[in-house]
Amino acid sequence: QQQVKQSPQSLIVQKGGISIINCAYENTAFDYFPWYQQFPGKGPALLIAIRPDVSEKKEGRFTISFNKSAKQFSLHIMDSQPGDSATYFCAGRGSNYQLIWGAGTKLIIKP
Amino acid sequence: DSGVTQTPKHLITATGQRVTLRCSPRSGDLSVYWYQQSLDQGLQFLIQYYNGEERAKGNILERFSAQQFPDLHSELNLSSLELGDSALYFCASSATLAGSSYNEQFFGPGTRLTVL
Repeated sequence: QQQVKQSPQSLIVQKGGISIINCAYENTAFDYFPWYQQFPGKGPALLIAIRPDVSEKKEGRFTISFNKSAKQFSLHIMDSQPGDSATYFCAGRGSNYQLIWGAGTKLIIKP
Repeated sequence: DSGVTQTPKHLITATGQRVTLRCSPRSGDLSVYWYQQSLDQGLQFLIQYYNGEERAKGNILERFSAQQFPDLHSELNLSSLELGDSALYFCASSATLAGSSYNEQFFGPGTRLTVL
């Protein structure tokens, strides 16, 4: 199965709070899991990515947690800021090197 | 700025018409991907080209076609347009087909197509 299931569809977090977006995949052949951030009217841009042999990767306020046995990974945004308001997409890269995308999460950070 | 350019930025046309969207990848990138994003929807992969050859097809309708030229720019042709084809169309490019890199895809700003 090639699907990547992403939740929640939308998320509202207070400024300074922690935003958590979850993804689950089925294809154990996926070898790369990126998160993309998309602002309104713009194309998606790579935010952070992880390989399945690593359980966690942190870049600034953004952390990916990866659970290989559960086939789940999540994006944590610490100290969420209004500028983080965007749509976030997770993806998995399959054996044919294509990215299989989640449906996206619209994140709103309330000041 | 990702380095990927797309033209036009906006396109308004009527049902039954045909349009061409253009994409110039980042300098040196050999792979071009086309995606469709309907309002508040996720990214639907349409098709990928690598160095002029089609490499992968996604949910691309038969009314749609694409090609990548020797200078590596790509065009997406949409014909017999329907109201439901109204969407944002993104082009992305990456350096390699696969290889040892993570094959990051860099997205252009998109073309917003409105079919009336």
